[in-house]
Amino acid sequence: RKEVEQDPGPFNVPEGATVAFNCTYSNSASQSFFWYRQDCRKEPKLLMSVYSSGNEDGRFTAQLNRASQYISLLIRDSKLSDSATYLCVVKGGNAGNMLTFGGGTRLMVKP
Amino acid sequence: DAMVIQNPRYQVTQFGKPVTLSCSQTLNHNVMYWYQQKSSQAPKLLFHYYDKDFNNEADTPDNFQSRRPNTSFCFLDIRSPGLGDAAMYLCATSRDRGTINEQYFGPGTRLTVT
Repeated sequence: RKEVEQDPGPFNVPEGATVAFNCTYSNSASQSFFWYRQDCRKEPKLLMSVYSSGNEDGRFTAQLNRASQYISLLIRDSKLSDSATYLCVVKGGNAGNMLTFGGGTRLMVKP
Repeated sequence: DAMVIQNPRYQVTQFGKPVTLSCSQTLNHNVMYWYQQKSSQAPKLLFHYYDKDFNNEADTPDNFQSRRPNTSFCFLDIRSPGLGDAAMYLCATSRDRGTINEQYFGPGTRLTVT
């Protein structure tokens, strides 16, 4: 079983839609959680950290459920520019202080 | 203001011909990482340097080596590239190794092996 699992998608949504991604992690000792965004042929860029209380940044909301070991990302009012791969990333656990990446969920926002 | 710089952005090498990829940083971070990312896959950590201390991942092939001559620079050497080594190679840095430390990625070097 992979340490961080995501639905690879693609999620095809129209502009303006709300879309949610989920991610599960296997190691309960994991300590920090992030969502990264990666555009095609570019490097991953930090989108947001995920806090236990949940956090919001504009149209993006991240939630963490430690009991169920899943992380979610909600994107409201999708824009064409949101099209990218979203990587769920976990720190701590088996990898110590290193990052463990999920395989990514691809989002395509259509006009 | 580039913070993590990778050169070259695209590299073509021949099967078995040694190749070196370069990374530099202007952040004065203690930790530098090298990841390999193949198409449609997650980045996979190869190794990292904590200051001068080299830390290899258990499943990183011996074909991959690294050097960090100073704080700013880190190199990835592939001694005998195979076709399976074609990938994007990402360099990243962080101030420290603690869980609160964000990693900053460079733009990557896309390696083609012919």
